[in-house]
Amino acid sequence: ILNVEQSPQSLHVQEGDSTNFTCSFPSSNFYALHWYRWETAKSPEALFVMTLNGDEKKKGRISATLNTKEGYSYLYIKGSQPEDSATYLCASFNAGNNRKLIWGLGTSLAVNP
Amino acid sequence: GAGVSQSPRYKVAKRGQDVALRCDPISGHVSLFWYQQALGQGPEFLTYFQNEAQLDKSGLPSDRFFAERPEGSVSTLKIQRTQQEDSAVYLCASSSSENYGYTFGSGTRLTVV
Repeated sequence: ILNVEQSPQSLHVQEGDSTNFTCSFPSSNFYALHWYRWETAKSPEALFVMTLNGDEKKKGRISATLNTKEGYSYLYIKGSQPEDSATYLCASFNAGNNRKLIWGLGTSLAVNP
Repeated sequence: GAGVSQSPRYKVAKRGQDVALRCDPISGHVSLFWYQQALGQGPEFLTYFQNEAQLDKSGLPSDRFFAERPEGSVSTLKIQRTQQEDSAVYLCASSSSENYGYTFGSGTRLTVV
């Protein structure tokens, strides 16, 4: 059974702060790691799909790293803005799991102006 | 269409009533997934289609749940004899490839009273 865990569960930061969250996942049979951003009353939005150990991806002020050997990924937000407030979900895609994404419970980020 | 469309957005059903939830994926996306998200939880996998073939239905919680995608495009999730524990947001997502993120619909919020 795959378990994907995210920490912290919630985070409150001030505008301009940089922050990061962790996603941990079992490393065996790893295929891909997805990050999504989910704003209230909207659909989850794909941020990154990462497959290779050592991958680093960047989208504006948001970046992510991947370590498949130890089973973790970090999501970084540089200079947080109020519009970054959302729940950030990660999900692991396991090659032996018939294409099912196994989701973490998310990190809820609130950025205070 | 430009995105994944789900209907209805909201559905209130009396306990014991049958409901049907519709998903229109992005044109050309072969993969289609249904997820259930209960309050305060991450999305839970229900079922997966590749074109018209239902490759995995292991997440369907009971035999009251049934999904189909007869022509490999629109999918319908049917819940028979709804129970209160079926109350959740039902999300549909489609993808063109395992190497790309999923595009989610806005979801259908089902409330069983």
